Parts: sequence; C-alpha cells; structure tokens
Amino acid sequence: DTGVSQDPRHKITKRGQNVTFRCDPISEHNRLYWYRQTLGQGPEFLTYFQNEAQLEKSRLLSDRFSAERPKGSFSTLEIQRTEQGDSAMYLCASSFWRQGVSGANVLTFGAGSRLTVL
Amino acid sequence: KNQVEQSPQSLIILEGKNCTLQCNYTVSPFSNLRWYKQDTGRGPVSLTIMTFSENTKSNGRYTATLDADTKQSSLHITASQLSDSASYICVVRGDYKLSFGAGTTVTVRA
Repeated sequence: DTGVSQDPRHKITKRGQNVTFRCDPISEHNRLYWYRQTLGQGPEFLTYFQNEAQLEKSRLLSDRFSAERPKGSFSTLEIQRTEQGDSAMYLCASSFWRQGVSGANVLTFGAGSRLTVL
Repeated sequence: KNQVEQSPQSLIILEGKNCTLQCNYTVSPFSNLRWYKQDTGRGPVSLTIMTFSENTKSNGRYTATLDADTKQSSLHITASQLSDSASYICVVRGDYKLSFGAGTTVTVRA
C-alpha cells in the first residue's frame, strides 16, 4: 500500500465546467476526509465518510459539490458549474477509527489535487 | 475566529540554525495536538501527536512541546537542513473535530 492516492494531481478547467477528483485511501482505513486548502491557509474541512456513510458535511460544501464513497473504499468529489473561487488544492485524507483505541484517527493525507478555474 | 493560531506566519533561517514555531489554541475540550509538515504542492505529513498528558515529543530533529494549561505548543527544529523548507501546520483535535492552523512557512537558506 503506497498511502493515499489522489487523481488527477492538477486540473485546469474553464468556469462553468464540471470536474471530478478521485481519492484512493489506505486500504484498511475506514474513514475518509476531503479538505480544501488555499494558498497560505491551513486545510478547511469539507466532508468525511465512515465506510460508505457520509457522516458530516461542512457549510463550505455548497450544492455544487458532491462527494461519494459508494463501496466504502475510493471516494469521488465532484464540483459542478465551477467558479473561479473554487480554485484551490483539494486534499483527501484517511484514517482508521475505532472508539476507545488510543492513537486512532491520525490522518494520512494524499498529495492533493490542485484545481485552477479560468 | 480560528481556534488555532500559529506564529510567525513565515520565517527564514540559515542552514544549520535552530528555530521554534508557536501554536496557541482555544479548542475545548482538548483531545490531542499534532504537527504536520507540508512540502510545497504536497499533502501534509504527520510529525508528532501529543495528548493531554504529554509535555514533549521528538521525531528526529523535530521536538514538539505542549502546555495544556496555557494551551500552547511549540515545534523546535534543530540544526535545520534545506529539506526542512516547508509549511508546518498545527492541528488540534477537540471532542470530534480537527481545527487547523494556517501554518508557518519555513525557508532554510544555504
């Protein structure tokens, strides 16, 4: 297992187009997170899954954003009708979580998918 | 208001010198604090994680300290190397959420 993989690494698109990012987490990790990061800022939480269930969505996740994790393994993040303000690095992270387990839920991040909306 | 504040925003140091980064937080309740290193264009990589009862933890040339009473943490880099040039992000876990600092950008020059 080579860690968390994200694809594509870079995406340039025109305003109004749809884009989709894929994340393949570490195979034994049951939680998967999506974050957005702009230059000079820390990551901002978007949403997370435990197995295939989407447990939380940030208010940052407008109705143009949708995330899925259909089989509890890989996840996709789709942005519809992209806007210039969507330009950012989209980070995926995964973790193993079990209640009461010490040290659980340490996130392993992928390298990110950088989106540029022209 | 961000619950995790980092300082300085950026710093430049000469290779071989030491530096200390600060993280102040207001997250409550507190579960643990992590420091991540993020190289340009890459995802963050975990350096250390500390719980309430831990005051210091080292990972090679990186030493993190935690004062849970004053809600402050520091990351000390010893004998800096060019490869230490990166953004260092402080992340605090509360009851179930992670709060991220904006990071400190460290530039190491030869």
